[in-house]
Amino acid sequence: EAQVTQNPRYLITVTGKKLTVTCSQNMNHEYMSWYRQDPGLGLRQIYYSMNVEVTDKGDVPEGYKVSRKEKRNFPLILESPSPNQTSLYFCASTMGPSTSYEQYFGPGTRLTVT
Amino acid sequence: KNQVEQSPQSLIILEGKNCTLQCNYTVSPFSNLRWYKQDTGRGPVSLTIMTFSENTKSNGRYTATLDADTKQSSLHITASQLSDSASYICVVSARVGGSYIPTFGRGTSLIVHP
Repeated sequence: EAQVTQNPRYLITVTGKKLTVTCSQNMNHEYMSWYRQDPGLGLRQIYYSMNVEVTDKGDVPEGYKVSRKEKRNFPLILESPSPNQTSLYFCASTMGPSTSYEQYFGPGTRLTVT
Repeated sequence: KNQVEQSPQSLIILEGKNCTLQCNYTVSPFSNLRWYKQDTGRGPVSLTIMTFSENTKSNGRYTATLDADTKQSSLHITASQLSDSASYICVVSARVGGSYIPTFGRGTSLIVHP
């Protein structure tokens, strides 16, 4: 089954404690993205990757890091989480950068930073 | 600045009724427009995608229209079902160099009552 998986699904942490949210896809997609979704603001792109070792900033990259060492994985790293990073995070993947391709979203990770 | 405005913000209808959701955008240069359905607590799922030359696209009981001149799109849901209760998100992408930059609307929350 074609899917995007994220782990963990729920996470409560404290300010400053480094964390990583993993994302993996099994569709051999080149293009992957991270989004955050906040009430009243909709989805906003954090980072995207066009292929292995190729990443770029989206609309709200501050406080986040990503890496793309393998095609299937695209982890999101918060080096020093702060309460304003409390949000619902989605990873997505697609065949290529053109949004004419179907984009598949993961189930989401709900992060709370206290 | 690229923007996508959706209306209404929320909508309540009775099962079996039709409804229309609106999306106005100022995104340039326009590449395509996509409607997503997002069930509570889950990732968005694509319903339709339209390029500049398309003005209607259907997916079952969902019909999207696009007027590229007025920069408006609508999503019409026919004979609504309880399972249509969800948030509907309009996403308009701009092509910038080799990348496709999505701008997300804040969504319309639809509740279908029996």
